[in-house]
Amino acid sequence: KAGVTQTPRYLIKTRGQQVTLSCSPISGHRSVSWYQQTPGQGLQFLFEYFSETQRNKGNFPGRFSGRQFSNSRSEMNVSTLELGDSALYLCASSFMGASYEQYFGPGTRLTVT
Amino acid sequence: AQSVTQLGSHVSVSEGALVLLRCNYSSSVPPYLFWYVQYPNQGLQLLLKYTSAATLVKGINGFEAEFKKSETSFHLTKPSAHMSDAAEYFCAVSIETSGSRLTFGEGTQLTVNP
Repeated sequence: KAGVTQTPRYLIKTRGQQVTLSCSPISGHRSVSWYQQTPGQGLQFLFEYFSETQRNKGNFPGRFSGRQFSNSRSEMNVSTLELGDSALYLCASSFMGASYEQYFGPGTRLTVT
Repeated sequence: AQSVTQLGSHVSVSEGALVLLRCNYSSSVPPYLFWYVQYPNQGLQLLLKYTSAATLVKGINGFEAEFKKSETSFHLTKPSAHMSDAAEYFCAVSIETSGSRLTFGEGTQLTVNP
């Protein structure tokens, strides 16, 4: 079974631009979650989508948004990029909910200059 | 809200020595607990999980963890460290009503000395 894939793996953007990151979950998984990882703040939850609906949202500004498609693939978008958005963005997929394992992709390394 | 505290941001052991990484959680409802490992420039890999079945959970690569409700702890252990165990380890908690949302600890960087 193929794992979670994320594209692109690396991105360099300029302040003020927007970016879209993509995540393809494990086949059969309906939940996709996104996390931001930075040296200062650690791993922080952005949001979760389940069957195309946002089920949970973390404490991030509205510049961060996401969506999930009918095939469970998910995208997250960050608008008006700031230097502080530089981070590793991780996507995780799960079959259902809290008690199920989450499988992480390799991440997208975003650098904002 | 639930939270996780990992005691010790850096732990150093000798090859062959016991590995003990500490994790304490806070949750007002029964938690699900997880340990993940992250190697440089990679995503997170699940080591083991606790979901209210056995309190002693065995995971991959010889790791295990024991859920102690009275101490609100879920410490990770491995009897004999290997050089390949050097990585960052994260403890995480979720609860039934939070969907798949994981709340992570700050992480513990494990160094294994030859």
